Parts: sequence; C-alpha cells; structure tokens
Amino acid sequence: EVQLLESGGDLVHPGGSLRLSCAASGFTFNNYAIHWVRQAPGKGLEWVSTIGGGGAHTYYAASVKGRFTISRDNSNNTVFLQMDTLRVEDTALYFCAKDRRQNPVFYGSGTSDDWGQGTLVTVSS
Amino acid sequence: DIQMTQSPSSLSASVGDSVTITCRASQNIATYLNWYRQTLGEAPNLLIYSASTLQTGVSSRFSGSGSGTDFTLTISSLQPDDFATYFCQQSFGTPFTFGPGTTVDIK
Repeated sequence: EVQLLESGGDLVHPGGSLRLSCAASGFTFNNYAIHWVRQAPGKGLEWVSTIGGGGAHTYYAASVKGRFTISRDNSNNTVFLQMDTLRVEDTALYFCAKDRRQNPVFYGSGTSDDWGQGTLVTVSS
Repeated sequence: DIQMTQSPSSLSASVGDSVTITCRASQNIATYLNWYRQTLGEAPNLLIYSASTLQTGVSSRFSGSGSGTDFTLTISSLQPDDFATYFCQQSFGTPFTFGPGTTVDIK
C-alpha cells in the first residue's frame, strides 16, 4: 500500500524558513516523480513543485521559484521542500503526491495518483 | 501558462441524479487532463486521467470526455460521498495548473 506522510508544517513569521518532509513507502521510490501541491484555507489547489525520480530534474511554480527548493533522499524514501523568504500568501496546507507513471528522470505524467494528508504552513506576524 | 476554467462553480443535486461538470483549457492540451474529487478535510483523490481513463478502483459512475480545450466529467447516480469539490488539472506541461473547482452539494 502506498503511503505518503508529510511533516514540518508550523507557524512562522514572514521572511522565515521551513523545511517540509514527505516520507514515502509502498512503492519503488526512486522510479517516481513526487509533486508538492498546496491549498490555501478555503481555496483551490495550486501546484508548487515537482522532482524527478533521480532527483536531477526539478520544476517550480513561478510564485515560489527562487524561494523554495525541492530535493529528495532516495536512500531514505523522503522528499523535502525547503521554503525560504516565506510570505503571508504561502499560508496553506501542503500536500505531497506520487506521480502516476514510472519515470526515473523527468516529471512523469504530471498526474498525482496517491496523496498524503498534508501539513499546515501558517505565515503570520 | 495554461489557464483552466470550470463551470459551473457550484451546483445542487440529489442522490441518484446525474451531473456534468465542464473544464476548459486556454490552449490545446490534447487529452492531458485529469479530474480529482476532494471531500472536506481530505486530500484530493484521482478519478480520471488522460481525459477519459478511469483510475483503478474508481467507480464506473464517473466518466470523462473531451480533447483539445474542452472537457467534461459526468457523474451518474450521485452517491452521498460524491457531494464534494471537483478539480480538473492539465498535465500537458509545467506549471500543472488546476481549475478553480466545482462544488456539488445536496439539494
């Protein structure tokens, strides 16, 4: 059974930093891209970032590029989202999700078939 | 970036009804279109990918169609769990944009 468990969400001041983790199990981790998707309170879904299975290829939304960094540790089946220079508008529930298609290099299919339950990031003074 | 729109933004229906939700892309995305359902407080759940392919384990009451810029999701015989918010998403290329969502609530 595929499982994804996010952690690291917290209350942080504007300009601060956080590192989110996504621990995965139940599949051949390094064969799949992992996506981060966020949802501001009462709002819709926003794709944030994707990392290919091997970790060499990363992709970012314009709203976070230059502030967020995605990485992965394939020996420990974990993906990270380093979030720097946080803004009030980054407040959201952050989900990690597994790509539907095996692709150890690029972003896979761009489709998320298994999701974690999310971790809450609140940016407020 | 590819913009996604959905209509209606909300609708009311009864258990047993059939409903159709529309999603439109700002440019041709072939069939790179996914549908997700999200109930309150839960993570999204993939229903359909590649515009019309049912995800494993998803009820055949859900069906998708379309290509290019116009897509539809049809839910037949609504069940209590189907009262939720539905999002389309394009996977043609990054950024993988979502539609704003359509909320289906009980009439």
